[in-house]
Amino acid sequence: RKEVEQDPGPFNVPEGATVAFNCTYSNSASQSFFWYRQDCRKEPKLLMSVYSSGNEDGRFTAQLNRASQYISLLIRDSKLSDSATYLCVVNPVSGGYNKLIFGAGTRLAVHP
Amino acid sequence: DTGVSQDPRHKITKRGQNVTFRCDPISEHNRLYWYRQTLGQGPEFLTYFQNEAQLEKSRLLSDRFSAERPKGSFSTLEIQRTEQGDSAMYLCASSGGDLNQPQHFGDGTRLSIL
Repeated sequence: RKEVEQDPGPFNVPEGATVAFNCTYSNSASQSFFWYRQDCRKEPKLLMSVYSSGNEDGRFTAQLNRASQYISLLIRDSKLSDSATYLCVVNPVSGGYNKLIFGAGTRLAVHP
Repeated sequence: DTGVSQDPRHKITKRGQNVTFRCDPISEHNRLYWYRQTLGQGPEFLTYFQNEAQLEKSRLLSDRFSAERPKGSFSTLEIQRTEQGDSAMYLCASSGGDLNQPQHFGDGTRLSIL
């Protein structure tokens, strides 16, 4: 079983749609969580951190359920510019240092 | 520009050659990471430095790979006797502050082995 699992998609949605991505992780000791966005042939860029109480940044809402080891990302009012791959990322923070564990990513294509 | 920078952006070489990549992290960041990404996959961790000390190496990092961060600033990743399976995007990231702070990535070096 992969440490971080995501639905690969692609999700094809019209502009203005609401779309949700899900992610599960296997290491119950994981301490921090992120969503990164990656455009084609570019580096991953931090979209947002994910906090236990849930957090929102404009049109983006992230949720974390530690009991179920589940992370979600909701995008409201999709824009063409949201088209990208969204990477679910877990940071185990074990042994006094950290390394990010990435999911394979979920592709989103927003069309006019 | 105060982001993470990597050089070169692209490298094409023949199988069996040695290659070296460079990463300059964000100046105030003491942690530096190398990742490798292949098509359709998320980045995979290779190695981690805190200042000049290399604290972890993934099992993905065979003995043909070596990384250094001699003065705790820039880092180099060398691959000796390259193989076709080494073709990938090599990403460098840095972070500072506490261990839960996010990592910031450079543009990456895309390696193609002929």
